[in-house]
Amino acid sequence: KQEVTQIPAALSVPEGENLVLNCSFTDSAIYNLQWFRQDPGKGLTSLLLIQSSQREQTSGRLNASLDKSSGRSTLYIAASQPGDSATYLCAVRGSQGNLIFGKGTKLSVKP
Amino acid sequence: DAGVIQSPRHEVTEMGQEVTLRCKPISGHNSLFWYRQTMMRGLELLIYFNNNVPIDDSGMPEDRFSAKMPNASFSTLKIQPSEPRDSAVYFCASTVGGLEQYFGPGTRLTVT
Repeated sequence: KQEVTQIPAALSVPEGENLVLNCSFTDSAIYNLQWFRQDPGKGLTSLLLIQSSQREQTSGRLNASLDKSSGRSTLYIAASQPGDSATYLCAVRGSQGNLIFGKGTKLSVKP
Repeated sequence: DAGVIQSPRHEVTEMGQEVTLRCKPISGHNSLFWYRQTMMRGLELLIYFNNNVPIDDSGMPEDRFSAKMPNASFSTLKIQPSEPRDSAVYFCASTVGGLEQYFGPGTRLTVT
């Protein structure tokens, strides 16, 4: 059974820092991996999708990498801003098409 | 496009009452997912439809939960009878071709 783990559970950094969020999964037979952002009391916003054949994806200040063989993905946020404060969720797509989520990393960027 | 639409946004009901949550997927998407989010368990899949047909309902916790998708533009999740432990945020998501899933704003359910 696929399990997704995100470390750390919470992270607080000063504005301007570059930071890395980690995601690991137990079964390397994935179709894709998706990073989401969730603001308090809100829904999920898709940030990046990495197909199983890809190594990384970039969008603005965000870069996500995927290493299927080791069961790891990282989300790199450059020059963090207070507006980046949110919970970041990693999810892998299973064989049926459903997403299996980690518990998330709650990020706080202090001005 | 308006994105995935869910209603109601908030629902407060008493234990034992029937609750119906509604979802309109993005037009053209052929897969629809219902997820539940709680503090303890995070986000979990309840049921998944492909071309209006239920594919995997192994996440539906009990017979009190049922879901339907009568057409490509509408789905319901029903809980009957509701219990306090059903209190959670219920999300609907849709996708096409197994690519990015797009989530609705969620329904926050409180059962007292």
